[in-house]
Amino acid sequence: QVQLVESGGGVVQPGRSLRLSCAATGFTFSSYGMHWVRQAPGKGLEWVAVIWYDGSNRYYADSVKGRFAISRDDSKNTLYLQMNSLRAEDTAVYHCARDIGTSNQYILDHWGQGTLVTVSS
Amino acid sequence: QSALTQPASLSGSPGQSIAISCTGTSSDVGGYNYVSWYQQHPGKAPKLMIYDVTKRPSGVSDRFSGSKSGNTASLTISGLQAEDEAYYYCSSYTSSSTLVFGGGTKLTVL
Repeated sequence: QVQLVESGGGVVQPGRSLRLSCAATGFTFSSYGMHWVRQAPGKGLEWVAVIWYDGSNRYYADSVKGRFAISRDDSKNTLYLQMNSLRAEDTAVYHCARDIGTSNQYILDHWGQGTLVTVSS
Repeated sequence: QSALTQPASLSGSPGQSIAISCTGTSSDVGGYNYVSWYQQHPGKAPKLMIYDVTKRPSGVSDRFSGSKSGNTASLTISGLQAEDEAYYYCSSYTSSSTLVFGGGTKLTVL
């Protein structure tokens, strides 16, 4: 069955960096686009970034553009999110999600449980 | 990238029908038939309930249905059940090739 397991979260000081990973099993990872979506404590879902199945396109929310980078390693069936210049408002649970749509449908059919990132001094 | 507008909360009695609205603009909801709905129970990952405005994934009850008119999409839940109590989020593809979510609606089954 499809499984997505995030890791790499933790407590980090403002201005520092962190890299999240999402290990995918149970499907052909290289055939699917992947997303990162975050949820601040007690708040709603906020989309962060997408990478297409072949890595040809990557798009970001304005709130993270220029600071975060999404990437994938199909040989390791793993999705990444490099987060730089972290701010207090980046504190959230970060979920990875599989996209079963075509290039722009953005249909997120499986989600991981998420990893908590806390930005605090 | 402003969030789509959803009512913060709604409630209904078992057996009733309710509709959750999701209002955007012509650059997202109104411009594409790429609206999805997600259900999230506290402490759990979101679950896809509706995609492409009206389509239901395999395994989702037919009590859940979606529609769209202009810049507003709606999720209708008929025959409300206790297990439907959850948060519901809409999402839409945007003209910037990004994804935008609604603020979420807390559904209470009385």
